[in-house]
Amino acid sequence: KQEVTQIPAALSVPEGENLVLNCSFTDSAIYNLQWFRQDPGKGLTSLLLIQSSQREQTSGRLNASLDKSSGRSTLYIAASQPGDSATYLCAVDSSGGYQKVTFGTGTKLQVIP
Amino acid sequence: GAVVSQHPSRVICKSGTSVKIECRSLDFQATTMFWYRQFPKKSLMLMATSNEGSKATYEQGVEKDKFLINHASLTLSTLTVTSAHPEDSSFYICSAKKHLAGPTDTQYFGPGTRLTVL
Repeated sequence: KQEVTQIPAALSVPEGENLVLNCSFTDSAIYNLQWFRQDPGKGLTSLLLIQSSQREQTSGRLNASLDKSSGRSTLYIAASQPGDSATYLCAVDSSGGYQKVTFGTGTKLQVIP
Repeated sequence: GAVVSQHPSRVICKSGTSVKIECRSLDFQATTMFWYRQFPKKSLMLMATSNEGSKATYEQGVEKDKFLINHASLTLSTLTVTSAHPEDSSFYICSAKKHLAGPTDTQYFGPGTRLTVL
């Protein structure tokens, strides 16, 4: 069964800093990996989707990388802003024995003005 | 785009009542929809997979008589929480895969429904 871990669980940074969020997964047989943002009490907002054949995806200040062989993905946020404060979730769509989407526990980010 | 909506976005109900949550794919047909639940300070957990025209497949530990799922059309799946109790209070999110989507196609997520049972 796929297990997805996100480190750190919480992160607090001053505005303007670049930061990296980490996601690791135990089974490298995946279709894709997706990063989401969740604001308190709100639903999910999809940020970036990386297919298993891709190494990275970029959208604005966000860059997500995928190293399938090592079971790792990172979400890089450049020049962080207070509006980036939210919980970030990664979700792995597995193609192996457990063919379902598994979510990580999230990283709660706070960007301090 | 591929938009999935949920209704209602928030619902508060009394213990013992039943609550229905709708998940709609607005601009595509979805053969398969998924229902997830998020416990406080926990990640999203898959509850069940809903296939149009057939019975839902429930994950281990999910009570099928408690959480009734109906996928009557290619654009609508419903989750009914029967005889709701405070422990059913949670955030419920659905997702959908496009009709005839291949295994590598992504799931599109709805905005979620926050259920509070008093």
